[in-house]
Amino acid sequence: TQLLKQSPQFLSIQEGENLTVYCNSSSVFSSLQWYRQEPGEGPVLLVTVVTGGEVKKLKRLTFQFGDARKDSSLHITAAQTGDTGLYLCAGAGAGSYQLTFGKGTKLSVIP
Amino acid sequence: DAMVIQNPRYQVTQFGKPVTLSCSQTLNHNVMYWYQQKSSQAPKLLFHYYDKDFNNEADTPDNFQSRRPNTSFCFLDIRSPGLGDAAMYLCATSLRLAGGHLYEQYFGPGTRLTVT
Repeated sequence: TQLLKQSPQFLSIQEGENLTVYCNSSSVFSSLQWYRQEPGEGPVLLVTVVTGGEVKKLKRLTFQFGDARKDSSLHITAAQTGDTGLYLCAGAGAGSYQLTFGKGTKLSVIP
Repeated sequence: DAMVIQNPRYQVTQFGKPVTLSCSQTLNHNVMYWYQQKSSQAPKLLFHYYDKDFNNEADTPDNFQSRRPNTSFCFLDIRSPGLGDAAMYLCATSLRLAGGHLYEQYFGPGTRLTVT
């Protein structure tokens, strides 16, 4: 069974601060996806990373896939209140229909 | 815009009264999924369809059934809802190519089920 350990579970920061969320596994994933979910809504796909060492940027969000494709990080620069939500990482194994989800990081950005 | 649509967004049912949740997609994806999500937890996969092939997760209760009459629609039937079935139910879709490559999943907005 592939497991994704996501940390921290909860994060409360002031507007303007930087933060990093981590996803770690002992398993190799063929791709890894990051989602943001707001209360009462479905997860919205932010990015997919597929190549070891890949770095993708989405405005103030930077996503990195580890060289061995076992871990990933999400870094937010100068957090805004609109970044508040549940961040989920999810890994896909080769040929698998399933996503392995991390338990999520609940981010609160305080004005 | 291509999307995943779920109806209704909110559903209230009584203990033991069957309920059906629906999902439709305009993405023309061949894989559709149903997840259950409880408060602030990760989504839990219930089952998925690859075209018409149904795949049930081992720990999905028999109380949960699904139908996929065509590519665009998929239904989740809860035959006798219990209080523990109150949750957000998420539908997702993905595209699987003949070579086996599976693209990312796209989620609908969810249906919040309340059991009274």
